[in-house]
Amino acid sequence: KNEVEQSPQNLTAQEGEFITINCSYSVGISALHWLQQHPGGGIVSLFMLSSGKKKHGRLIATINIQEKHSSLHITASHPRDSAVYICAVNRGGSNYKLTFGKGTLLTVNP
Amino acid sequence: DVKVTQSSRYLVKRTGEKVFLECVQDMDHENMFWYRQDPGLGLRLIYFSYDVKMKEKGDIPEGYSVSREKKERFSLILESASTNQTSMYLCASSFPLTGATGELFFGEGSRLTVL
Repeated sequence: KNEVEQSPQNLTAQEGEFITINCSYSVGISALHWLQQHPGGGIVSLFMLSSGKKKHGRLIATINIQEKHSSLHITASHPRDSAVYICAVNRGGSNYKLTFGKGTLLTVNP
Repeated sequence: DVKVTQSSRYLVKRTGEKVFLECVQDMDHENMFWYRQDPGLGLRLIYFSYDVKMKEKGDIPEGYSVSREKKERFSLILESASTNQTSMYLCASSFPLTGATGELFFGEGSRLTVL
């Protein structure tokens, strides 16, 4: 079993829909990252969080440390949100090693 | 804005060639990373550097070496390229935090094909 599991693996939505991508992990962590990768493009950091909730524009990330679970929400989705979303965790005690999920491919249709 | 620049977007090399991948960041970050990304395997850490001339092996260092002679520059070296090193290589940088990586800033990636 992977230490970081994302669901779903693939997600197709219509423009305007509310999107949720989930990330579960099985190890103690010091921080969790959400990353976005557009096709053929580099990776952009969306959030880094260790507790609670963060919001940037239409994106919201939450984390529940006790349940070892994080969610990434996209409100009023748009075709430009189509990308791979990657969850990664800093294992407790390591300040540089990240364990990555396999990613969730989101396609938002107009 | 932080900028991480990788020297080549696409490279094609022959088996046995020595390959240099260069990465430069302009925000004075202490931490720099080299990852490779393969379908179905996700991102895997090759090497990490936390200061000039300092390095740590990641999860898959075999067949690779690194050089960090200046703070802004981190080079990945394939001493003798092999076909199983065909991959997307991503450089990243961050400020260090106690117990965590810090927000990561990635380059655009270098797609290497070894024939």
